[in-house]
Amino acid sequence: AQSVSQHNHHVILSEAASLELGCNYSYGGTVNLFWYVQYPGQHLQLLLKYFSGDPLVKGIKGFEAEFIKSKFSFNLRKPSVQWSDTAEYFCAVRGTYKYIFGTGTRLKVLA
Amino acid sequence: DVKVTQSSRYLVKRTGEKVFLECVQDMDHENMFWYRQDPGLGLRLIYFSYDVKMKEKGDIPEGYSVSREKKERFSLILESASTNQTSMYLCASSLISPGPTNEKLFFGSGTQLSVL
Repeated sequence: AQSVSQHNHHVILSEAASLELGCNYSYGGTVNLFWYVQYPGQHLQLLLKYFSGDPLVKGIKGFEAEFIKSKFSFNLRKPSVQWSDTAEYFCAVRGTYKYIFGTGTRLKVLA
Repeated sequence: DVKVTQSSRYLVKRTGEKVFLECVQDMDHENMFWYRQDPGLGLRLIYFSYDVKMKEKGDIPEGYSVSREKKERFSLILESASTNQTSMYLCASSLISPGPTNEKLFFGSGTQLSVL
């Protein structure tokens, strides 16, 4: 069965600190991987996605993620966070039709 | 601008009531999804549909049913609401074969349902 694990449930950082959010998945077939973000009071929106090719993918707002197949991981990174990055972040994997999401990580960035 | 519209932002219902949550998308998407979002549990898939009149169970279908009579509309039905169904319900849609460039889920703004 497909599953996604996010190990960090709450993360608090100061501005300019570096960010890494962990995501591990379990899926038997070809994976398409995603990070979605939900800013306070807003819709969920796509941050970045991986389909194939270069395992390091870049998304919006300076975020990037690295797909490591041997570790079944797709960790999200940002070198220097800003107060406006305060949000909840969800990792997701897509199978044939459906998308399975992780439990989310709430990031709070202190100004 | 593309849109997924959920009929209600907030809804309060009594235990045992039949509840309908409506979702409409204007993007001609084949796939539509219903998730519930709970703190600490993330998004959990209730049902999805990849075509009119087609439906598939997600991970937590118990206590729910769905209806998709038209391509643009996907309804979630709570046959007899219970307090443990108090949650934020999110509808989403996507193309069935978008390719890497276009693949993404479009989400509605959610319906916060409280069952008393």
